[in-house]
Amino acid sequence: GNSVTQMEGPVTLSEEAFLTINCTYTATGYPSLFWYVQYPGEGLQLLLKATKADDKGSNKGFEATYRKETTSFHLEKGSVQVSDSAVYFCALTYFNKFYFGSGTKLNVKP
Amino acid sequence: DAGVIQSPRHEVTEMGQEVTLRCKPISGHDYLFWYRQTMMRGLELLIYFNNNVPIDDSGMPEDRFSAKMPNASFSTLKIQPSEPRDSAVYFCASSLRDLGSGNTIYFGEGSWLTVV
Repeated sequence: GNSVTQMEGPVTLSEEAFLTINCTYTATGYPSLFWYVQYPGEGLQLLLKATKADDKGSNKGFEATYRKETTSFHLEKGSVQVSDSAVYFCALTYFNKFYFGSGTKLNVKP
Repeated sequence: DAGVIQSPRHEVTEMGQEVTLRCKPISGHDYLFWYRQTMMRGLELLIYFNNNVPIDDSGMPEDRFSAKMPNASFSTLKIQPSEPRDSAVYFCASSLRDLGSGNTIYFGEGSWLTVV
């Protein structure tokens, strides 16, 4: 079947620290991969995506590379800000369904 | 452009009452999705529509839940009778096309339901 596994949170970092949130997936076929972000009290917003192997998605300083050989799509940012505090969801799509991970909460302290 | 609009944003109701959640998708979007989010189960797809027709309702938890889409700009999710375990955030989302080739879905801000 199709599924996404994310590292458990919360992840607590100081401002300007390096961020990695791990995501691995199981899929039949060739899914598209996404990172969504959810700020408190809001819906999910697309952060970045990649549609084929070796593609790199990037947005707002965040990056993730679609690694088919390791079935991974880890999220990285070189220098986090307090405003990045949110819950991050890794997801894949296959045949018109999104499969979301359980979410990783990020807390960034000043 | 306006995003996906949901109402009510917050609802507190007593067990046994009927609850109706409403959604207006982004204009021109052909697909509409209803999700439920809880701490225990994360995000679950309940049902989705294509051109107002329900395509997959396998995620609807039980007969107490029903969803309709009478036209391209409006959908409802109804719970009757409601139970405390239905307490969750219910999200509506829409997409322009099917989800192949990395097409994106756009979420509303959610309806926060508490059943007491």
